[in-house]
Amino acid sequence: GAVVSQHPSRVICKSGTSVKIECRSLDFQATTMFWYRQFPKKSLMLMATSNEGSKATYEQGVEKDKFLINHASLTLSTLTVTSAHPEDSSFYICSANRLVVGQETQYFGPGTRLLVL
Amino acid sequence: GDSVTQMEGPVTLSEEAFLTINCTYTATGYPSLFWYVQYPGEGLQLLLKATKADDKGSNKGFEATYRKETTSFHLEKGSVQVSDSAVYFCALISNDMRFGAGTRLTVKP
Repeated sequence: GAVVSQHPSRVICKSGTSVKIECRSLDFQATTMFWYRQFPKKSLMLMATSNEGSKATYEQGVEKDKFLINHASLTLSTLTVTSAHPEDSSFYICSANRLVVGQETQYFGPGTRLLVL
Repeated sequence: GDSVTQMEGPVTLSEEAFLTINCTYTATGYPSLFWYVQYPGEGLQLLLKATKADDKGSNKGFEATYRKETTSFHLEKGSVQVSDSAVYFCALISNDMRFGAGTRLTVKP
């Protein structure tokens, strides 16, 4: 089946640094990818919709200058957490939409756990 | 590791029919359980959740009960509408988050 990968799976960084997370669709092209954030024991929160070749659409309350999203190709979207802060520590999940016979199917990446010290 | 197994679709129902989408899980510890819905072209939206055994989550006529003895969290609705057509994902959060494969529901008038 379709596979979506994320890299890195875990990252620890110092406060004030930037961290880039990659989301790749390995065997299909994804015009749309989604980025989610999950806090411990809490629900998933949609951060933004990433569209290939155009600017991402951010959900209300998500700082676009802090969470930079780039969808440079049909198989790669990146999320960069800029000037990371301990409050940014979280589990970040991407998903990619695959169009099959006119219907969209969403595939999830395994997630990236970010810890900001 | 933790995992979620969800009823395969697609599911096609007539309006006002009864809906059940099965979801079972395996997890160490005591996960929280969720149902998410995705409409075409949109991201996931939380539909309902349950955080401990015997809890019942409900929203918009949908219900699911956290059954620890059967490790299940089946989604039900007594009377579906055309507007319920979407893809439904069962998910758990324990150490990390895990999703089922999704079940596509189509409701016909």
